[in-house]
Amino acid sequence: DGGITQSPKYLFRKEGQNVTLSCEQNLNHDAMYWYRQDPGQGLRLIYYSQIVNDFQKGDIAEGYSVSREKKESFPLTVTSAQKNPTAFYLCASKEGDLANYGYTFGSGTRLTVV
Amino acid sequence: KNQVEQSPQSLIILEGKNCTLQCNYTVSPFSNLRWYKQDTGRGPVSLTIMTFSENTKSNGRYTATLDADTKQSSLHITASQLSDSASYICVVSAGAGNMLTFGGGTRLMVKP
Repeated sequence: DGGITQSPKYLFRKEGQNVTLSCEQNLNHDAMYWYRQDPGQGLRLIYYSQIVNDFQKGDIAEGYSVSREKKESFPLTVTSAQKNPTAFYLCASKEGDLANYGYTFGSGTRLTVV
Repeated sequence: KNQVEQSPQSLIILEGKNCTLQCNYTVSPFSNLRWYKQDTGRGPVSLTIMTFSENTKSNGRYTATLDADTKQSSLHITASQLSDSASYICVVSAGAGNMLTFGGGTRLMVKP
């Protein structure tokens, strides 16, 4: 079945550590997105990529980095510069540029700083 | 600033009852409005998508309405089931880049 796979489901990070969240899709979608979800708040865009080897900052990119070396993969690194990284992280993909194309979301990674 | 406000924040209903969730937005230029269902600890799943010219869209027991003049949308759930317990998120797409603005969600609990 086609879809988006995020791993791990749960991740614990010590203060000062960088961690990388994986996002893989086999939908052949061009665009991929990373969102952060905090309790009671709407999802906020961290980074997005419309095409391989290109990505753009979203609304809250500080303390995060991404790469898009393959169409299928869009990993997110949470660096030590991100002061409040505890959150639920969601990866999404979209087939193309048309406005009414649907977004497909992964099942998320819950990151906790210990 | 683009904003999407949802109400109520949380709602408890009995199984079999109907309910309506509200979404108000100040997003420009409007492209489309989506409703998603998100189970706890999972990613959102699309329920409906409506463009400017559509004022109602159904998906089984879910019916979404859109009033583009007043910038309001509602999601009506008919004959609720225990599996409807989830957060429901209103999302508005705007601008040439069709970037999404997410509401904070309504957390619905259906009790037997």
